[in-house]
Parts: sequence; C-alpha cells; structure tokens
Amino acid sequence: GIQVEQSPPDLILQEGANSTLRCNFSDSVNNLQWFHQNPWGQLINLFYIPSGTKQNGRLSATTVATERYSLLYISSSQTTDSGVYFCAVFSSGSARQLTFGSGTQLTVLP
Amino acid sequence: NAGVMQNPRHLVRRRGQEARLRCSPMKGHSHVYWYRQLPEEGLKFMVYLQKENIIDESGMPKERFSAEFPKEGPSILRIQQVVRGDSAAYFCASSQSLLATNEKLFFGSGTQLSVL
Repeated sequence: GIQVEQSPPDLILQEGANSTLRCNFSDSVNNLQWFHQNPWGQLINLFYIPSGTKQNGRLSATTVATERYSLLYISSSQTTDSGVYFCAVFSSGSARQLTFGSGTQLTVLP
Repeated sequence: NAGVMQNPRHLVRRRGQEARLRCSPMKGHSHVYWYRQLPEEGLKFMVYLQKENIIDESGMPKERFSAEFPKEGPSILRIQQVVRGDSAAYFCASSQSLLATNEKLFFGSGTQLSVL
C-alpha cells in the first residue's frame, strides 16, 4: 500500500516562531488531509488539500502532487498549537481509506 | 449540528471480557471508519463500513474483532475476550460519501480502552 512519511518527528518551538512540517507519500493521491491531535486526544481536520495551496488564519498548506509531498506551515506559533500533526492520504490505487503518517509532535513553549 | 459521537470515552475491562464501542456518524454521513491508535503511534485503519455493509476490513484482526453498522442505530466495534494488547484509543470517523470523491473525514473524540 501507499507509504506516508512525516518529518520532523518532533519539533520544539518558542512561542511566536514559524515552522514547516513535511509529508511525503509514495504514490499519486486523490485526497490528502492534515489533522491536528490536541493534547486531549481530539482530532481536528485542518485542511483537505490534494493539490495547490490553502490558508486558514496562521496555518497554510501546500501540496505538490506531481512531486508527492505536502507542507504545513504554522506562523506565529502559540502554545495552543501544541499536539501531533498528522498527514493522511487516499490513493485510488490502494485501499479505500485514508492512510496516516506517523505524525509530527509539536511543542510550543511559552 | 452534532459531530461524530463516540461512547463511552473511557472503558475499562478485565482480560477475557467483551468490549463494545459505539459510534454515531455526523448527520447525513453514511460512511464510517474505525481506526486504532496505540500510545505514541499514528492511527491504523481497521474497518470501513456503509449502512449494513462491511466494505473493507483489511485492517481488522481476524479473530475476536467484529464491526457492524446497522440500518438503524450506531456503528459498533466489538472486541471479544480482550487482552492487554487491545489497550488503545479507538477512533471512529465519518464522511458523507466516498473519500475518492474529495470528501473530508471527521473524527469522534475516541474511546480509550484499558484492559486490566
């Protein structure tokens, strides 16, 4: 099946800093989503972005489908941004569900 | 507009007992997915269901685990004769239609299963 790799696995930032999280995938995708899992375990859908660029407040995401990667940008980070960020992809050539990467653990220090 | 509802939030079972986890999808959603998350790990797909049908159970262990999504009522993930290795967070997600058709996936808050 499709492979999804996220980097870095861990990231520690000072409040106010910017960061870039990366997601590489091994096959062409029809559907790519970014999720944030907060420290209480809740999974929030941040972006649906199989290609192109989207922005939502301090967060933005870019997917370059032809090169099989996606980037999540967090600007002016806040302590509430802490948690795990997951990339998940769907490839019509494989199973009929989203395959998750192993995540990036982000800690934002006050 | 309620989101995906899972209950219970926490479930404690002794080895050998049965665990039943419930999931009500978002209103208007007919596609349900179950994922399992072990500590410090990502989410692993278990099973994908539509009303009254199991579409893909390739991620589900062959023994002791079963899932259903009846015509009426919530989706149920059932684990028989639980063992300590079943301790994990179980998440349910739903979508309005096929993920291949540009659908977003919405998750419930999960059920934390602890096996003593």
